[in-house]
Amino acid sequence: DGGITQSPKYLFRKEGQNVTLSCEQNLNHDAMYWYRQDPGQGLRLIYYSQIVNDFQKGDIAEGYSVSREKKESFPLTVTSAQKNPTAFYLCASCRLAGGKGSITGELFFGEGSRLTVL
Amino acid sequence: GQNIDQPTEMTATEGAIVQINCTYQTSGFNGLFWYQQHAGEAPTFLSYNVLDGLEEKGRFSSFLSRSKGYSYLLLKELQMKDSASYLCAVKGRDQAGTALIFGKGTTLSVSS
Repeated sequence: DGGITQSPKYLFRKEGQNVTLSCEQNLNHDAMYWYRQDPGQGLRLIYYSQIVNDFQKGDIAEGYSVSREKKESFPLTVTSAQKNPTAFYLCASCRLAGGKGSITGELFFGEGSRLTVL
Repeated sequence: GQNIDQPTEMTATEGAIVQINCTYQTSGFNGLFWYQQHAGEAPTFLSYNVLDGLEEKGRFSSFLSRSKGYSYLLLKELQMKDSASYLCAVKGRDQAGTALIFGKGTTLSVSS
């Protein structure tokens, strides 16, 4: 079965530590996304990528970094520069319609990673 | 800039019909999505509208009016399992034209 897998599901971090959240998909989707969800805030876009070795900042990219070395993988690093990292992080992927610049269909989401800073 | 508004909370009873509204203001428009999200879980796709009118899918229907920047999700024959958050998302036209912008979600509570 194809799908999108995030790990770990729960993660605890001390202040000042960097952590990396994994996101892997076997749907052969070109585009991948990272969203952050806080209570009452909805989903906010952190970073997205349409092709390997290329990614763009979303609305709240400060304190985060990503890489896209493989089509299947889009890990997110939450750095110590992120002031308020405790949140629910969602990774998603989508098929591109006709190359870079457009998407079609819905986003497929992973199960999410809940990060808590102690 | 882009702005998507939907009510924060709604309540309804089993068997009833509920309509969740969504208004949007975006620099461009390439479609509107509705997602359902149960607490602590990932959002799941419900519907997609890109042209004006009503799209029906079982107990759920979604309507779009592009001229009014307005959509609604209609849930019929409500069941307890429909208690969830419902997210309205717009496919705008940013630099790359690919990312979805989400509203804050409407938490629906269905009681017996």
